[in-house]
Amino acid sequence: GDSVTQMEGPVTLSEEAFLTINCTYTATGYPSLFWYVQYPGEGLQLLLKATKADDKGSNKGFEATYRKETTSFHLEKGSVQVSDSAVYFCALRSYGGSQGNLIFGKGTKLSVKP
Amino acid sequence: NAGVTQTPKFQVLKTGQSMTLQCAQDMNHEYMSWYRQDPGMGLRLIHYSVGAGITDQGEVPNGYNVSRSTTEDFPLRLLSAAPSQTSVYFCASSLTGSTSGNTIYFGEGSWLTVV
Repeated sequence: GDSVTQMEGPVTLSEEAFLTINCTYTATGYPSLFWYVQYPGEGLQLLLKATKADDKGSNKGFEATYRKETTSFHLEKGSVQVSDSAVYFCALRSYGGSQGNLIFGKGTKLSVKP
Repeated sequence: NAGVTQTPKFQVLKTGQSMTLQCAQDMNHEYMSWYRQDPGMGLRLIHYSVGAGITDQGEVPNGYNVSRSTTEDFPLRLLSAAPSQTSVYFCASSLTGSTSGNTIYFGEGSWLTVV
């Protein structure tokens, strides 16, 4: 079945450091790919998405490119802030393999220190 | 615009009790679903619905029941609560389930403790 694997956390960075959170996927069909963010005590918010190969999603300084050849959707940010501290989830949605449901990775907790 | 609304936000249950987590959306979305979030497990799908009158099981459906009598509402029922059902529950919705690019929107979560 469809699955998502993302790097284990927690990740601790200093403010203004470069961030990469790796995400790879396995899917039948042609999935769309998502990054969601969860701030402490809150629900999930969509951070960015990409719906086809080579698409780049971007939002709030975060970027991720849908790489079909490597089945990856790594999240990057050039300069993190304390306010970026949160849990980040990579997810895919495929009408074929997952019946239109989101399949999540286990999440990566990011802590940014001033 | 209320989006996806879940109630209650916090609940403590005794083992064996039953309860219903309410979920409502005001975006005329066809697709709705329930997930549970547990430490180190990510989010796992419990049940989902692609339209009124249609429901199906997800990855972890045991101990839960759902119905979809209207487009707006998708309640999750715990039939006989067990400590293993202590979790954070999220309701979610999207325009349809047939287009993978449609964004799924989440409620703020319901924290459930079973003692």
